[in-house]
Amino acid sequence: AQKVTQAQTEISVVEKEDVTLDCVYETRDTTYYLFWYKQPPSGELVFLIRRNSFDEQNEISGRYSWNFQKSTSSFNFTITASQVVDSAVYFCALSEPHSSASKIIFGSGTRLSIRP
Amino acid sequence: GAGVSQSPRYKVAKRGQDVALRCDPISGHVSLFWYQQALGQGPEFLTYFQNEAQLDKSGLPSDRFFAERPEGSVSTLKIQRTQQEDSAVYLCASSPPRVAVKETQYFGPGTRLLVL
Repeated sequence: AQKVTQAQTEISVVEKEDVTLDCVYETRDTTYYLFWYKQPPSGELVFLIRRNSFDEQNEISGRYSWNFQKSTSSFNFTITASQVVDSAVYFCALSEPHSSASKIIFGSGTRLSIRP
Repeated sequence: GAGVSQSPRYKVAKRGQDVALRCDPISGHVSLFWYQQALGQGPEFLTYFQNEAQLDKSGLPSDRFFAERPEGSVSTLKIQRTQQEDSAVYLCASSPPRVAVKETQYFGPGTRLLVL
């Protein structure tokens, strides 16, 4: 069965600290996509990144970086030098393109609070 | 606007009332998805359209839930005889037709439904 686990329910750090959000996934398929979405207080889900299961190269985008480890089925997200505007709920997600719907399976989210 | 839009943004219904939630996808997006997000949880898949065809409705929780997309653009999610457990945020997402990026879904702001 497909499953995404975000064990950290809430994280609170002081501004400028680095923070890593953990994500572990389960899937039977060899081809799949992994995502991170940000949900600020306004409620809209903001797409951050999509990774193909065949591409394990880590990615950096500004203060954001992602570490994809297929051997441990993890796709962790690090924010460097956090800012108050980073406060939001972050969701890790999985989709299997072979399924008829290509629906996304979301984790339960990690609420990140950045204190000034 | 360029993004997915949903209306109404907020809806309060009395138990037993029927409601209709609207989604306007990004222009040209072939695929459209509906998700339900309960408080403090990640979104859960409800149903999926490719153009006007509803290809997967396995996530609809009961036969009180009905979705349509008659012209392959705007979609409506209808809930009949609402119950208190239907209270949630209903998110709509769309994705473009190009195969290379078909797994990236872009979400609307959601409709927050409260059933009293």
